[in-house]
Amino acid sequence: DGGITQSPKYLFRKEGQNVTLSCEQNLNHDAMYWYRQDPGQGLRLIYYSQIVNDFQKGDIAEGYSVSREKKESFPLTVTSAQKNPTAFYLCASSIWGAGETQYFGPGTRLLVL
Amino acid sequence: SQQGEEDPQALSIQEGENATMNCSYKTSINNLQWYRQNSGRGLVHLILIRSNEREKHSGRLRVTLDTSKKSSSLLITASRAADTASYFCATFDRGSTLGRLYFGRGTQLTVWP
Repeated sequence: DGGITQSPKYLFRKEGQNVTLSCEQNLNHDAMYWYRQDPGQGLRLIYYSQIVNDFQKGDIAEGYSVSREKKESFPLTVTSAQKNPTAFYLCASSIWGAGETQYFGPGTRLLVL
Repeated sequence: SQQGEEDPQALSIQEGENATMNCSYKTSINNLQWYRQNSGRGLVHLILIRSNEREKHSGRLRVTLDTSKKSSSLLITASRAADTASYFCATFDRGSTLGRLYFGRGTQLTVWP
């Protein structure tokens, strides 16, 4: 089955802790994206990557970090610098080009203990 | 903000009725896309309309685009309870080299049996 997966489904973070959200795709897509979704605010772009070993900050990158060492994988780390991390995190991928359709994973809900 | 704005924020109708959602945006676009999100899930792409198109159909979905008014509408005909979800528009800016989409805050559609 081709698709995009995220894990875990739920993640709990303690104060001062870094946590990493996983995103994997087998669609052979070049571009991958991370969004944060809060109630009533829609989707906000955190980071995106056009190709392996390259990524750009989105609108709310502070307190987050990413890596893109493999085409299939784009993990997101929520660092202790992110003071309000409770949200629903969505990963997406697409063919690289002019506003191509994005394919989304099922999401990870991050909660703070 | 470059985000699109959906209107209304919430819509409640009976099964069999038509549902119309609107999206307004501020920039010149290359294309506009509509996505659907069931509660607690990832987004699913519904339809893409390019700036040189005025109307597009897909099954019970009809999308229109008026670039002079910078607006789009999504019509779902003969709604079903299974259409209950949030619907988002996303725009891709004309001339952008970054490939990113800008998502609105969504319309929450509830279809009552």
